[in-house]
Amino acid sequence: GNSVTQMEGPVTLSEEAFLTINCTYTATGYPSLFWYVQYPGEGLQLLLKATKADDKGSNKGFEATYRKETTSFHLEKGSVQVSDSAVYFCALTSSGGSYIPTFGRGTSLIVHP
Amino acid sequence: GAGVSQSPSNKVTEKGKDVELRCDPISGHTALYWYRQSLGQGLEFLIYFQGNSAPDKSGLPSDRFSAERTGGSVSTLTIQRTQQEDSAVYLCASSPSGLAGETQYFGPGTRLLVL
Repeated sequence: GNSVTQMEGPVTLSEEAFLTINCTYTATGYPSLFWYVQYPGEGLQLLLKATKADDKGSNKGFEATYRKETTSFHLEKGSVQVSDSAVYFCALTSSGGSYIPTFGRGTSLIVHP
Repeated sequence: GAGVSQSPSNKVTEKGKDVELRCDPISGHTALYWYRQSLGQGLEFLIYFQGNSAPDKSGLPSDRFSAERTGGSVSTLTIQRTQQEDSAVYLCASSPSGLAGETQYFGPGTRLLVL
């Protein structure tokens, strides 16, 4: 079956630091990969996605590259802000079988001024 | 149009009571999903609707949980005889067709507390 593994949190950084949140996956078929973000008290919203190998998704300064050879989709940002404090979820949907998304457990990011 | 909406936003109930949670998806979206998010946990899939049909109910934790969708739009998740372990945030999401690669659009959630 499909699975997504994210690094454990919380990740605590100072403003303007570099961010990496690791995400690896196992999937049948050809997965599409997503990062969703959940701000305090809100539902999840799409941050970025990539639908085929070597694609790079980007949004709001965040980037992630779909690496088929390492089955990874790590999230990066060069300079985080306090407003980036949130929980980040890596997810996939796979064309091989059910289209039900598989989510990672989420990684909490705390950015201090 | 508007995004996904859920009601109520908060619900406090007593153990043993029944509760109904409502989800209004984005207009025209045929796929609708319910998830449960417990404190500090990830998302637990509950049920998936395609139109009014539920081809995947595999995540419903027990027969106390049921859901329906009418008119290909509004969905209701019902929890009968609530237990304290049902306390969680219940999230609803919709997507245009339910195909792989589609973005899911989430509502703000219903926070359920069972006393």
